[in-house]
Amino acid sequence: DQQVKQNSPSLSVQEGRISILNCDYTNSMFDYFLWYKKYPAEGPTFLISISSIKDKNEDGRFTVFLNKSAKHLSLHIVPSQPGDSAVYFCAARFGNQFYFGTGTSLTVIP
Amino acid sequence: NAGVTQTPKFQVLKTGQSMTLQCAQDMNHEYMSWYRQDPGMGLRLIHYSVGAGITDQGEVPNGYNVSRSTTEDFPLRLLSAAPSQTSVYFCASRALSKDEQFFGPGTRLTVL
Repeated sequence: DQQVKQNSPSLSVQEGRISILNCDYTNSMFDYFLWYKKYPAEGPTFLISISSIKDKNEDGRFTVFLNKSAKHLSLHIVPSQPGDSAVYFCAARFGNQFYFGTGTSLTVIP
Repeated sequence: NAGVTQTPKFQVLKTGQSMTLQCAQDMNHEYMSWYRQDPGMGLRLIHYSVGAGITDQGEVPNGYNVSRSTTEDFPLRLLSAAPSQTSVYFCASRALSKDEQFFGPGTRLTVL
């Protein structure tokens, strides 16, 4: 059973607007959450992370929000740029194991 | 630094054949892991290691063996390939003090 879910397979936004990618999880024991970005034919690359004891972490255009009561996290990209077009995976850590969502394909339209 | 390297990039096997996917990292990371990526399934952890001589199973370990004789290398062995093992395989490493994993470019494996 999928412990980390990304229910939107794809998302399209206009350049300069905000992109919001969502992720839900079921295991309340996850202690760290991460977002990765993946281009075709490449491995995922780390984007941003957040500890379960925080509710927000910001790094430049990227902000991750964590709502523990709802078991939900989101990634905000502002402003969106065409180079942000990629597949985004959220991941959660429990012990030494990481669980990934199925990914959301973001297209930023110039 | 080359980061995480994987060989081969592509491989086609027949059912029942064996092979080893190679993974190496030059960042002196203690933690190394193998994932498979299938359509609609995201990345799923196969095996991981927290140091030389230490390995453990992930979500989907069946059909795969690993060993970790050095810090740098973490090969993944398929002893008898099955069509269900057709997938893209990613190796990753991280420092145990951090959560960020560095991924290799992947190996696309097809089992006929």
